[in-house]
Amino acid sequence: LAKTTQPISMDSYEGQEVNITCSHNNIATNDYITWYQQFPSQGPRFIIQGYKTKVTNEVASLFIPADRKSSTLSLPRVSLSDTAVYYCLVGANDMRFGAGTRLTVKP
Amino acid sequence: DAGVIQSPRHEVTEMGQEVTLRCKPISGHNSLFWYRQTMMRGLELLIYFNNNVPIDDSGMPEDRFSAKMPNASFSTLKIQPSEPRDSAVYFCASSWGVRAKNIQYFGAGTRLSVL
Repeated sequence: LAKTTQPISMDSYEGQEVNITCSHNNIATNDYITWYQQFPSQGPRFIIQGYKTKVTNEVASLFIPADRKSSTLSLPRVSLSDTAVYYCLVGANDMRFGAGTRLTVKP
Repeated sequence: DAGVIQSPRHEVTEMGQEVTLRCKPISGHNSLFWYRQTMMRGLELLIYFNNNVPIDDSGMPEDRFSAKMPNASFSTLKIQPSEPRDSAVYFCASSWGVRAKNIQYFGAGTRLSVL
């Protein structure tokens, strides 16, 4: 099973770009990398998914290096409403969420 | 689509009582997951169904917990008898498609309090 490692917490200020990196050294060839966001009292919500290089949507960008052993979720110009826990999951066999990264955006 | 629907949203019960949580997945999805979330243990996968068949129940805490999926549009998670340590938020999620790129859609959760 691919195991992921993320920072436990991060702080940022409104308007800044936030980058959260996830390590997944044992990623399998056919595994995708998926990021979720969870607000208090809500279920996790899908943000973005990628396999290699770069993926961008209206919410975030996902950068994946050639060796795919890590990935970086990039949130441009965060606001207070981006305060949440962010989870990185790899593949479909590892459906176990880790502790995630608790992002706090300050005014 | 209304998304994944869970009921009830809140449940308060006394120790020893039976508790049944319900989930309606998104129509067309072929996988269903039950999770439990607490401050101490985070988000734990309890059981995973694919095409209504339980695939991985290694996360089910003990025999007091059971889950069923009688058809593609309904699943239940039952706790009998309930204990105070079962107090948590229980989430149901569903997904569709190739396992390697599984994207899960979560319900709003059921907050269970066992007194």
